[in-house]
Amino acid sequence: DGGITQSPKYLFRKEGQNVTLSCEQNLNHDAMYWYRQDPGQGLRLIYYSQIVNDFQKGDIAEGYSVSREKKESFPLTVTSAQKNPTAFYLCASRDPYGRTNTGELFFGEGSRLTVL
Amino acid sequence: QQPVQSPQAVILREGEDAVINCSSSKALYSVHWYRQKHGEAPVFLMILLKGGEQKGHEKISASFNEKKQQSSLYLTASQLSYSGTYFCGARNSGGYQKVTFGIGTKLQVIP
Repeated sequence: DGGITQSPKYLFRKEGQNVTLSCEQNLNHDAMYWYRQDPGQGLRLIYYSQIVNDFQKGDIAEGYSVSREKKESFPLTVTSAQKNPTAFYLCASRDPYGRTNTGELFFGEGSRLTVL
Repeated sequence: QQPVQSPQAVILREGEDAVINCSSSKALYSVHWYRQKHGEAPVFLMILLKGGEQKGHEKISASFNEKKQQSSLYLTASQLSYSGTYFCGARNSGGYQKVTFGIGTKLQVIP
C-alpha cells in the first residue's frame, strides 16, 4: 500500500537536545511538506520541498532544519534553537502536477513531540 | 499569509446545513479542503482549481471565487460523522508549491 510513514509517533526529549523526525513516502510524489499543529493555531508550514536537493522555508522555519537527499525522504530536525518545540508535527506529500490524483496533500499519522 | 477561515466554531443538529468560508489576501491558484478528527491526520475532501475545475468528495460541495480570492465549503444534511475540524489550504499563485492553512473551523454535529 502506498502512503506516508512518520516516526516516531510519540517522542519525549529534554530541553536543549536536537530531535529528528522521520518522514518517508512511497507515493512517488515530488513535493513534501512539514507542518506544525498547536491547539487553536491550525496547521503552520515549517518547510517544504518541490524536488530532491531543494527545499524552501515556510512561515515558521526558525529553529528547524530539513534535508531532501532522496525523493522518498524528508526528515525534520527540531534544534535546540526552537523556543517552544512541544507540538504535533505532520508530514505530507503531493503530486504537484496532478498526474496520478487531484494534487491534494497526503498526510502521515503525525509525530507528537514533548519537550520536558 | 495564512488564509482566514470563518466561523471558528459551529454546532449543528443532525440534518442541518453549514457553510465554512475561507479567504486569502493573495491571489489563489487552488484551494484545498480537509477534515481532521481529534488526534488523527487530516483527510482530503475537495480541491478547487483556478479556472473552475473541482475534484473531490461526492457529498460535499464547494465554491471558489477567484476574483474575490474566496472559497466556501457547503455541508448539507449534516451527519454525526461530519464532526471534526475543517481546514482550508491555499496554494497562492506565483510559482512554488507552497500550501498554507487557516486556523480551522471546529464543527460539532449533535443528535
